[in-house]
Amino acid sequence: GENVEQHPSTLSVQEGDSAVIKCTYSDSASNYFPWYKQELGKRPQLIIDIRSNVGEKKDQRIAVTLNKTAKHFSLHITETQPEDSAVYFCAASIYLNTGFQKLVFGTGTRLLVSP
Amino acid sequence: NAGVTQTPKFQVLKTGQSMTLQCAQDMNHNSMYWYRQDPGMGLRLIYYSASEGTTDKGEVPNGYNVSRLNKREFSLRLESAAPSQTSVYFCASLKQGTTDTQYFGPGTRLTVL
Repeated sequence: GENVEQHPSTLSVQEGDSAVIKCTYSDSASNYFPWYKQELGKRPQLIIDIRSNVGEKKDQRIAVTLNKTAKHFSLHITETQPEDSAVYFCAASIYLNTGFQKLVFGTGTRLLVSP
Repeated sequence: NAGVTQTPKFQVLKTGQSMTLQCAQDMNHNSMYWYRQDPGMGLRLIYYSASEGTTDKGEVPNGYNVSRLNKREFSLRLESAAPSQTSVYFCASLKQGTTDTQYFGPGTRLTVL
């Protein structure tokens, strides 16, 4: 079946450092790659997304890059702050034979930013 | 605009009991989903509804049933709860076309003893 792998499972950085989370996907037809942030006890919330016709997208301290050939995409957080501490999920859209899209999620990365 | 709402927030069941988790969205979205979240396993799709009147199985449908009551509401039923169904359940809705963003509800934490 379709699969999205996410690494690392945990990531500890010092405040001000950069953090990078990487994902790979298996379905070459996937064309949409969102990233969700989930704080402890809360719901997942979209923080950034990218479509397959774009190689990079940036929103303030957060950026996402996509390598379609290698089927890799990554989340980059610069100048990390303690409030960035959360679990981050990547996802890839999967097309079903009915034309409907669904998301397949990675297993998550727990990011801890120490002051 | 409440977004996606879920009830209840917490529930404890005994093995073999049944219950229904309720989900509603007020964003006029066509598609709705039920996920379960377990430690270290991310979000796994249980069932989804591409549009009103249709439902389909996801990755882990065994032990669950769903009803898409109307465009707003999508319920998840556990007919005979098992300890393996202890999890956090999230409902989500998605508006296809201009965006594929899924909006999640606050979750239901279910414990089956």
